[in-house]
Amino acid sequence: GAGVSQSPRYKVAKRGQDVALRCDPISGHVSLFWYQQALGQGPEFLTYFQNEAQLDKSGLPSDRFFAERPEGSVSTLKIQRTQQEDSAVYLCASSLGASGRGQFFGPGTRLTVL
Amino acid sequence: GIQVEQSPPDLILQEGANSTLRCNFSDSVNNLQWFHQNPWGQLINLFYIPSGTKQNGRLSATTVATERYSLLYISSSQTTDSGVYFCAVSFNAGGTSYGKLTFGQGTILTVHP
Repeated sequence: GAGVSQSPRYKVAKRGQDVALRCDPISGHVSLFWYQQALGQGPEFLTYFQNEAQLDKSGLPSDRFFAERPEGSVSTLKIQRTQQEDSAVYLCASSLGASGRGQFFGPGTRLTVL
Repeated sequence: GIQVEQSPPDLILQEGANSTLRCNFSDSVNNLQWFHQNPWGQLINLFYIPSGTKQNGRLSATTVATERYSLLYISSSQTTDSGVYFCAVSFNAGGTSYGKLTFGQGTILTVHP
């Protein structure tokens, strides 16, 4: 497709379950970002990939969060042993070059942890 | 870290009115984007504007990088303009730049018919 896609769009998990969120960036885009958006707030940076290399993971809130992009295209954000505070919308963005300028966002995955 | 402040936090307009949204940032930036988040949560690119002025239909934006602010103008507003408008910036960190965005808190715009 022409834009960034994410799946699933909605995910409900019981506390303690593991979840995996998928991002398909725009074809050919070098940079890929994950952001977390809490209700009523602006998105906050989680992690960044340049091709398959994870160059910055400073925004990941705990070691329960893990992200990968093994072939430099599709990326997966995994959350282990989910907690209620993990409930948020997880947004993926991609941009053409390594500068990360001009990011395009996917529709997000809304995660609810019960 | 870099700070991004948007004003006003809320704005209510009648259809047809004009408005100006402001974004102030605390440091030099190499990327500034304006987004519209629609009621379904999709972030829609409006402008990539680290400096200068751009126009797209009823929307225009101006960034004065030396004074660390950007303005988004909406003219002849329509009900479909309702939603949250975000300003987001990135800056050059220690010679490397990959553009991770820092978002403001957003301006909630409501346009009544």
